[in-house]
Amino acid sequence: NAGVTQTPKFQVLKTGQSMTLQCAQDMNHEYMSWYRQDPGMGLRLIHYSVGAGITDQGEVPNGYNVSRSTTEDFPLRLLSAAPSQTSVYFCASSYSGMAVGSSYEQYFGPGTRLTVT
Amino acid sequence: SQKIEQNSEALNIQEGKTATLTCNYTNYSPAYLQWYRQDPGRGPVFLLLIRENEKEKRKERLKVTFDTTLKQSLFHITASQPADSATYLCALDPAYSGAGSYQLTFGKGTKLSVIP
Repeated sequence: NAGVTQTPKFQVLKTGQSMTLQCAQDMNHEYMSWYRQDPGMGLRLIHYSVGAGITDQGEVPNGYNVSRSTTEDFPLRLLSAAPSQTSVYFCASSYSGMAVGSSYEQYFGPGTRLTVT
Repeated sequence: SQKIEQNSEALNIQEGKTATLTCNYTNYSPAYLQWYRQDPGRGPVFLLLIRENEKEKRKERLKVTFDTTLKQSLFHITASQPADSATYLCALDPAYSGAGSYQLTFGKGTKLSVIP
């Protein structure tokens, strides 16, 4: 299993440009999430999905869109990049946790480092 | 407001000693708390989960305690090694509904350095 994969690893955008950060998992996980990590702020939840076709907002959703058309993929779209969106972005996935003794652990991808100038 | 705080930004410890990291939370009643390890340039990796009805959980050299009265979890690494140097994050799910975790709230992390 490749686990959770993210592309690209690094990206530089100009203010106002749009782009899509890709995330895929091959573990058949129902749940997927996007976090951003900034110095001194810790990881903050942007959007999450509990299954294909279902998404919802997290703590910091403004300026980002998501969709989940398949179980495997959960892309994050930046509509009009701003310098405040300079950050490291992590995608994560997890089981639904219905199994007895589930650890509810989230599996994280390697991250995308985004710089907006 | 709800908060989850890890008291130390950084902790230096001599090799072989026990490292103790603290995670405090306010205005939550979590059903469980998780600990993750993050190495530079990498995503967090799950280490341990402790449930509200468990006082202590162990895994090899790791030990986690959970005191719901104090609203605190302690994370211990015994016989610490330089390879344990990393940032350690605590996390809880404020919206836990019994169906699994998908929206964790994380502390800012404690950077542990184990000095040979």
